[in-house]
Amino acid sequence: GENVEQHPSTLSVQEGDSAVIKCTYSDSASNYFPWYKQELGKGPQLIIDIRSNVGEKKDQRIAVTLNKTAKHFSLHITETQPEDSAVYFCAENQGAQKLVFGQGTRLTINP
Amino acid sequence: DTAVSQTPKYLVTQMGNDKSIKCEQNLGHDTMYWYKQDSKKFLKIMFSYNNKELIINETVPNRFSPKSPDKAHLNLHINSLELGDSAVYFCASSPGPNYGYTFGSGTRLTVV
Repeated sequence: GENVEQHPSTLSVQEGDSAVIKCTYSDSASNYFPWYKQELGKGPQLIIDIRSNVGEKKDQRIAVTLNKTAKHFSLHITETQPEDSAVYFCAENQGAQKLVFGQGTRLTINP
Repeated sequence: DTAVSQTPKYLVTQMGNDKSIKCEQNLGHDTMYWYKQDSKKFLKIMFSYNNKELIINETVPNRFSPKSPDKAHLNLHINSLELGDSAVYFCASSPGPNYGYTFGSGTRLTVV
């Protein structure tokens, strides 16, 4: 299978500002798109996900949007806080069998 | 109560040795996975088991042999360890491939 392209690889924002991370996938059959947050020394933790039958999902300060036509999906974090600093991964369920991950984005929130 | 637990957390060993990593989940999930995370943080699937049966073997060298004695356990045995095997190995579980995974905290393997 092909990789999921994730950008940017690093992102630095001021506390209180918004952060956006974008991913592009290749498999038209993919129907599930989760986002994971990985803090130092820990395993990835699911923070939000979206299925192909919806275009947007929101959970407090976090939202995910999906454009099936363009095969893009994005993570939006508003009112960022220092504890949002981590590595974020997007993923697609390629072939409906396995999660294939993006390369990761290291997000740094500057106080 | 830890949902997906891996042991050991750290493993330092010499080239050529054989080692095992154990994983257990108490979530009642049917599917378990092994992922490898390299030094650039890239996460790549190695194996997937569904209810004790191997369903994905992602072109991993046959020095790596997973074993699932029951659907709550998925262990990883590695023979003849090489320097390039150094990485963090994550176990994960899910109700199925179209649901979110729960990851363990990882096993950092260092081959010297």
